[in-house]
Amino acid sequence: DSGVTQTPKHLITATGQRVTLRCSPRSGDLSVYWYQQSLDQGLQFLIQYYNGEERAKGNILERFSAQQFPDLHSELNLSSLELGDSALYFCASSVAGTGPGTVEKLFFGSGTQLSVL
Amino acid sequence: ELKVEQNPLFLSMQEGKNYTIYCNYSTTSDRLYWYRQDPGKSLESLFVLLSNGAVKQEGRLMASLDTKARLSTLHITAAVHDLSATYFCAVDSYGQNFVFGPGTRLSVLP
Repeated sequence: DSGVTQTPKHLITATGQRVTLRCSPRSGDLSVYWYQQSLDQGLQFLIQYYNGEERAKGNILERFSAQQFPDLHSELNLSSLELGDSALYFCASSVAGTGPGTVEKLFFGSGTQLSVL
Repeated sequence: ELKVEQNPLFLSMQEGKNYTIYCNYSTTSDRLYWYRQDPGKSLESLFVLLSNGAVKQEGRLMASLDTKARLSTLHITAAVHDLSATYFCAVDSYGQNFVFGPGTRLSVLP
């Protein structure tokens, strides 16, 4: 158990809908990362938050958004869902944000399997 | 843009054999990570390599880093079935976050 909690574990929805994925980082971790894993795209970095602020943005679609709350949990919102959004969405956490001299190790949650029908 | 490549992408090997997985990356980085993922499961950290020449070993797995060649290797010694999984390398490049390679799917056959 990595200490990172993701809910729900599975989500089945229809095209055009909106869903929210939730992540609670390990106790003491300030950074939260979201990744999308699909068979054809591999592990794609979406976005990172550090202590409530957006730190880095990757290949995140405009239909997707995220935030990190004062208690450090994070939510990933996916809207206007398309079939191609079906994937495994991982949240990971680490102690600090990236930067020179920062030693990082990501701890991954068990993921949310999203199926868009 | 930071790119991370792995070779091979698929590896089927017999128990007891040795093999090496290669990870190449495109820009300067002093930190490289190896992760393991079992089917349908999350990613588990195996090694963190922090400097040129770093070598880490855990059981039958040994990882090394050559920052000048932008190359890391994951060497498997006397493979056993329990090592069957997908192995990812990831590079931490400041400002670009963790970029993962495509993964190497390893199957160890009896």
